[in-house]
Amino acid sequence: EVQLVESGGGLVQPGGSLRLSCTASGFTVSSNYMSWVRQAPGEGLQWISVIYTGGATYYADSVKGRFTISRDNSKNTVLLQMNSLRTEDTALYYCARSGFAAAATAVDWGQGTLVTVSS
Amino acid sequence: DIQMTQSPSTLSASVGDRITITCRASQTISTWLAWYQQKPGKAPKLLIYKASTLQNGVPSRFSGSGSGTEFTLTISSLQPDDFATYYCQHYLTYSWTFGQGTKVGIK
Repeated sequence: EVQLVESGGGLVQPGGSLRLSCTASGFTVSSNYMSWVRQAPGEGLQWISVIYTGGATYYADSVKGRFTISRDNSKNTVLLQMNSLRTEDTALYYCARSGFAAAATAVDWGQGTLVTVSS
Repeated sequence: DIQMTQSPSTLSASVGDRITITCRASQTISTWLAWYQQKPGKAPKLLIYKASTLQNGVPSRFSGSGSGTEFTLTISSLQPDDFATYYCQHYLTYSWTFGQGTKVGIK
């Protein structure tokens, strides 16, 4: 059974940093496209980053240069390093696994981890 | 970036009703479109991908159609478990964008 568990969220001051983790079970993260999607309180969904099987990474303009996605294959984990955090980064951050071919979108989701950026 | 626009933003319906949600893309996305259902406090759940393919385990009362820039999600007979928010999403490129959501409530 596929399972994704996010952790690392919390309260941080503007300008601060956090590192989110997404630990996977039931599949190998390095063999799948893995994404982060966030949802601000009461708002819709926003894609923010993806890491491909070959290691290529892509980011939404709103986080480019501040966030870094990576993998720790030994721990079957996807990471999101978030620097220079802003109040508008406050959101529930979801990790998602993409399917293949026609289903190359977010097939499986974690339960999310809450990031609050506030002074 | 490709913009996704859903309508309506909210919808009130009764159990047994047939409902349709529309999603428009700002440029053609072929059939690279997914629909998700989200309930309060829960992660989104994939319902449909490739515009019309039902994800495993999703009831057959859900259906999707469309291509290019115009898409629809239809629930043929609304059930109590279907009251939720629905999002469309393109995945033509790595830069996914979601519609703003349609909240389906009880009339």
